[in-house]
Amino acid sequence: QQPVQSPQAVILREGEDAVINCSSSKALYSVHWYRQKHGEAPVFLMILLKGGEQKGHEKISASFNEKKQQSSLYLTASQLSYSGTYFCGTVHSGNTPLVFGKGTRLSVIA
Amino acid sequence: NAGVTQTPKFRVLKTGQSMTLLCAQDMNHEYMYWYRQDPGMGLRLIHYSVGEGTTAKGEVPDGYNVSRLKKQNFLLGLESAAPSQTSVYFCASSYWRETYEQYFGPGTRLTVT
Repeated sequence: QQPVQSPQAVILREGEDAVINCSSSKALYSVHWYRQKHGEAPVFLMILLKGGEQKGHEKISASFNEKKQQSSLYLTASQLSYSGTYFCGTVHSGNTPLVFGKGTRLSVIA
Repeated sequence: NAGVTQTPKFRVLKTGQSMTLLCAQDMNHEYMYWYRQDPGMGLRLIHYSVGEGTTAKGEVPDGYNVSRLKKQNFLLGLESAAPSQTSVYFCASSYWRETYEQYFGPGTRLTVT
């Protein structure tokens, strides 16, 4: 079942912060975050695992609330290079594949 | 180390024609995936493979077939193309499923007229 991302789009000025949310109606095993720039392939940012382990990006952080079946991606002091579409992907159990949300378009302007 | 490559990069088909998209990875990954991306729909999984000789259906498998005869290659076939299959197709691979990142190929833009 496809996770729900919010907001659908956000515009920031350089240096501002943003939060992108990802929620699921089913229990989550892991949450994955990817960024895609226009005309390019998605690129891995971060994985959050059940139990709290986190692997990923040095300048972007995320949280994973297992009880609420939600994850949030935090982008602080945004840079122009942060522009793109951010996708969360969710895994519900050991035998189910990753399912991506519809994405959040982030635009950072000078 | 090329990562994940896709062939071709662009293709235009007429309705009813067939074609095969090739994905190759040189990272010795077990898992491989085919996605389609349409505006506003995100990435939707078509088929995936958990190892050489295996395939499984994803969210939107109808109209597509796949094969994984060699570990490094994953083929996506369209037997009778339809305009609804106009999309950008991405292949990806990963070492494992739940706890490892997916590496994406550059994509194939397919137009069916």
